[in-house]
Formats: sequence, C-alpha cells, structure tokens
Amino acid sequence: DVKVTQSSRYLVKRTGEKVFLECVQDMDHENMFWYRQDPGLGLRLIYFSYDVKMKEKGDIPEGYSVSREKKERFSLILESASTNQTSMYLCASGQLTQPQHFGDGTRLSIL
Amino acid sequence: DQQVKQNSPSLSVQEGRISILNCDYTNSMFDYFLWYKKYPAEGPTFLISISSIKDKNEDGRFTVFLNKSAKHLSLHIVPSQPGDSAVYFCAATYSGAGSYQLTFGKGTKLSVIP
Repeated sequence: DVKVTQSSRYLVKRTGEKVFLECVQDMDHENMFWYRQDPGLGLRLIYFSYDVKMKEKGDIPEGYSVSREKKERFSLILESASTNQTSMYLCASGQLTQPQHFGDGTRLSIL
Repeated sequence: DQQVKQNSPSLSVQEGRISILNCDYTNSMFDYFLWYKKYPAEGPTFLISISSIKDKNEDGRFTVFLNKSAKHLSLHIVPSQPGDSAVYFCAATYSGAGSYQLTFGKGTKLSVIP
C-alpha cells in the first residue's frame, strides 16, 4: 500500500511566522502535490512537482512556496503566515497513469 | 471559472437505497475522471475512475457513468450503507497534463440514514 505521511496532524502558528509542512511518500512516485481544502471550496491545488527540484504553480500559489530536494519528500512553505491561510492542507503523490494517493492532512491554524 | 461542478452540496439517502452523486465538467479536454471519498480528519481515498473511451465502469457496489456529450458523470452506490457516509469529490484530468494534475469539484456530502 502507498503511504503518504504528513509530519503534523494539527499545527498552530502565529501571523507572520514562516511555516513548513512536510510530506513523505514511500512509493517512489514522480509526482507530488499540495492542496488546501476549505468548506464549500473543495480541494484546490497550490503547487505540484513532477521531479526532484522541479515545481509548478497550481491554482492558488500566492503566499506559498515549495521545495523538493529528494524524490520522496515535498515541503510546503508559508513564507509569512496570514490568518487566511488557516486551512486543511493535503499532500498527495502519484504516477502518470495512477490515481493520486493522499496523506491524512494537516489542520493548520494561524492566529 | 469552475471546470468541475458538483451542484449538490449534500445528499441524504436511506440505507439500502441507491445513492446518485452527480458531476458536470466544462473542459472538453478532460478525458479521465475519478471519484474520491473523504471521511472527516482523513485524506481523500480513491474510489473509482473512468476513461473517456468508456461510458460505464463498475466496481462492486460502485458504478460510474460518463455522458461525454452532456459533459456529465455520475456515481451510483447500490445498496447504500451507513459506512458510505462521507464527502465525495469528483475529479478530472486530461492526458496532456503530463504530471497528472487533477481538477476537483467542491464535493457532495452523502449521509446514509440507517
């Protein structure tokens, strides 16, 4: 079974802090994704990566950056956290022809 | 512009009856469609998919129907069980996406009443 592990289930940070969300997958997938889920808005893609050191903007990249130094690890960075970034963050990984597999999510609160 | 639409935010169904969840899309480039199921405090899990070369795909109690001309797909759950109560997301992509980028709908919350 594919395992996508997000480092924290719950996280509370303050406005203006730099926040790191970590994600690790164990299936050697090329593609990794970061989404946020908000009530009434569904899943929205923030950034994705199709290879080490490669990244592409998704639908809502503003205020975020990402890092992929190793194939199995994909980090989401909130450069200066703001209250409107309070959300559920979901990491996923996948291969070209296979459905994406998701982690259990990180519920992030920015105070 | 919302390319994948799930117009029903919620649906309640009696246990044992059929649940029908609907999804519409606007991008004619989409050629692969998926349904994910999500319980609270868990990540979405893949349920079933369909390629645009088919109009039906079945897996146990779950069947997905695709009507390309109407740009509409639906997920049928028969019979519905209380454990099916969850949020269901429709997603779409196209072969040219390369990186398999998915576009999700906003989800439909299904409640199966015992």
